[in-house]
Amino acid sequence: DGGITQSPKYLFRKEGQNVTLSCEQNLNHDAMYWYRQDPGQGLRLIYYSQIVNDFQKGDIAEGYSVSREKKESFPLTVTSAQKNPTAFYLCASSPKGARPPYFGPGTRLTVT
Amino acid sequence: GQQLNQSPQSMFIQEGEDVSMNCTSSSIFNTWLWYKQDPGEGPVLLIALYKAGELTSNGRLTAQFGITRKDSFLNISASIPSDVGIYFCAGPGNAGGTSYGKLTFGQGTILTVHP
Repeated sequence: DGGITQSPKYLFRKEGQNVTLSCEQNLNHDAMYWYRQDPGQGLRLIYYSQIVNDFQKGDIAEGYSVSREKKESFPLTVTSAQKNPTAFYLCASSPKGARPPYFGPGTRLTVT
Repeated sequence: GQQLNQSPQSMFIQEGEDVSMNCTSSSIFNTWLWYKQDPGEGPVLLIALYKAGELTSNGRLTAQFGITRKDSFLNISASIPSDVGIYFCAGPGNAGGTSYGKLTFGQGTILTVHP
């Protein structure tokens, strides 16, 4: 079965700790993305990567970091510098060319 | 940055009714996407529109790409309980472009269907 896997589904952390969210895809897609969703709001782009070893900041990159060492994987680290880290985080991927992204099931992060 | 405004913000309807929602922008878009999100899940692509004036259907769903390229509409006919969710419009962040690197989303329309 091809798809996008995000783990875990729910994540709890203490304030001041860094946390890394996993995103893996076996769709052979070139591009991968991270979005953040807050209650009652649309999705906002954090980072995106169109090829391995390259990534660009989205609209709300402050306090986040990413890596793209393998085509299948695009982990997101939420650092202690992120002021309001509690949110629903969505990973997406898309094939080469002008094609819409497909989304994973999301990880709900709660920081207390 | 660009913004997409969705209307209405929420809808409460009876099963069997038809639904209409729209999305507007101050900038032109070359592509309009409509996604549906079930509670606690990731959005699922419903319909993609690539040409001004285009009308595309997916089962009971029909979407249109406005001729001004600044709006799009989504209609659901004969709603059923599983239509419940949040519907988002989206388009490439670079106005008039086709890159999905910076997709812009509307704030969503919450649909509730009463049996």
